[in-house]
Amino acid sequence: EIVMTQSPATLSVSPGDRATLSCRASQSVSTSLAWYQQKPGQAPRLLIYGTSTRATGIPARFSGSGSGTEFTLTISSLQSEDFAVYYCQQYYDWPPWTFGQGTKVEIK
Amino acid sequence: QVQLVESGGGVVQPGRSLRLSCAASGFTFGGYGVHWVRQAPGKGLEWVALISYDGSNKYYADSVKGRFTISRDNLKNTLYLQMNSLRAEDTAVYFCARGFQLERLDYWGQGTLVTVSS
Repeated sequence: EIVMTQSPATLSVSPGDRATLSCRASQSVSTSLAWYQQKPGQAPRLLIYGTSTRATGIPARFSGSGSGTEFTLTISSLQSEDFAVYYCQQYYDWPPWTFGQGTKVEIK
Repeated sequence: QVQLVESGGGVVQPGRSLRLSCAASGFTFGGYGVHWVRQAPGKGLEWVALISYDGSNKYYADSVKGRFTISRDNLKNTLYLQMNSLRAEDTAVYFCARGFQLERLDYWGQGTLVTVSS
């Protein structure tokens, strides 16, 4: 099973600043990596797939990069609606489809 | 638009059973695999099971294998999760999610809460 590890657990950022979230895989997942956003009481929403492709309707301030075992989600200028928990997920080797433990982006 | 609506959650005693449903609309249900993913209170996402578009292939997390059964009725556009021998650690919000080509989970329902408690 591929283990996904996200860091940091919590990221405190001021509105308008850049946020950089990391995700590490226990073995290579090539570029088979997705990111999801989850707000309190809501379902997760797909943000990024294939490491760097934005899902339908996702603003350009969200970008993804990386390959192999190291991945990054960058939010270029945080808006109030971006404060949430973010999860990475690999789909290179399944089952299981595995998620990271999440990074909470909170207001500084 | 794509919609997934879960139902069937509730409070159940340890060792008992429960069946969840997920009603799909806004897309060709029979053309997609569908997942169940759960989230324990205050915790992260845990993949539970996947069923292929035609029901011929099913995959399970080790934590539920032998206790949970995923199924689907493509005529009713509905996904199911039969949960037997429930344990306290199965307490979670259960989400159904459409799978895109066995890769990403591109649309999610709002979830249904299952609480296993005596």
